[in-house]
Amino acid sequence: QSVLTQPPSASGTPGQRVTISCSGSSSNIGSNDVYWYQHLPGTAPKLLIYRNNLRPSGVPDRFSGSKSGTSASLAISGLRSEDEADYHCAAWDDSLSGGGVFGGGTRLTVL
Amino acid sequence: EVQLVESGGGLVQPGRSLRLSCAASGFTFEDYAMHWVRQVPGKGLEWVSGISWNGGIIGYVDSVKGRFTISRDNGKNSLYLQMSSLRAEDTAFYYCAKDSSSGFARATEYDYWGQGTLVTVSS
Repeated sequence: QSVLTQPPSASGTPGQRVTISCSGSSSNIGSNDVYWYQHLPGTAPKLLIYRNNLRPSGVPDRFSGSKSGTSASLAISGLRSEDEADYHCAAWDDSLSGGGVFGGGTRLTVL
Repeated sequence: EVQLVESGGGLVQPGRSLRLSCAASGFTFEDYAMHWVRQVPGKGLEWVSGISWNGGIIGYVDSVKGRFTISRDNGKNSLYLQMSSLRAEDTAFYYCAKDSSSGFARATEYDYWGQGTLVTVSS
């Protein structure tokens, strides 16, 4: 059971806009930045969005992130076949144990 | 080019130990915190442990506290995870990840990852 909650799957057709949600609590998303990772099975995960809405160099501006309260979203516009991957949200958790926490991941299918 | 290469995974019996290594190159290793993140096949990612640039700050997820030990050798550009008293639920791909900062900045900003090494705990 992951600390952050994501839908297990999402889908869209080429050119469409899709959004993936990530829900947490006051001890993680509510008080810390959210990060998004793109992961193709068998490869190294890739940092997609950092500090809620910033893109590392090389990440297309089709990818955008937002955060409000204890929830965050990743939006992908102009969907392309190469976007088919798993997407994971993450945040630091300030609870007693502390540490990084992730969502369960969302498998994006491009139809 | 930043490269992180994990090694040391394999099949191990419950209760036994295993040591993972991560060889880093392409950046100044001693300037950055490092982490281990794991993924049970078909499940989400899970942060396992992290270590600051000089080893002064270390953290673990509750499920591995007292069983796993993270360490680093800045002279060898290497990160390690000593895993003992292994359980079936420790079966996962283990990824080495580079932090974007030198310490624990209450962030999960891992800007480079390795391709992972599979640990299977089974009798």
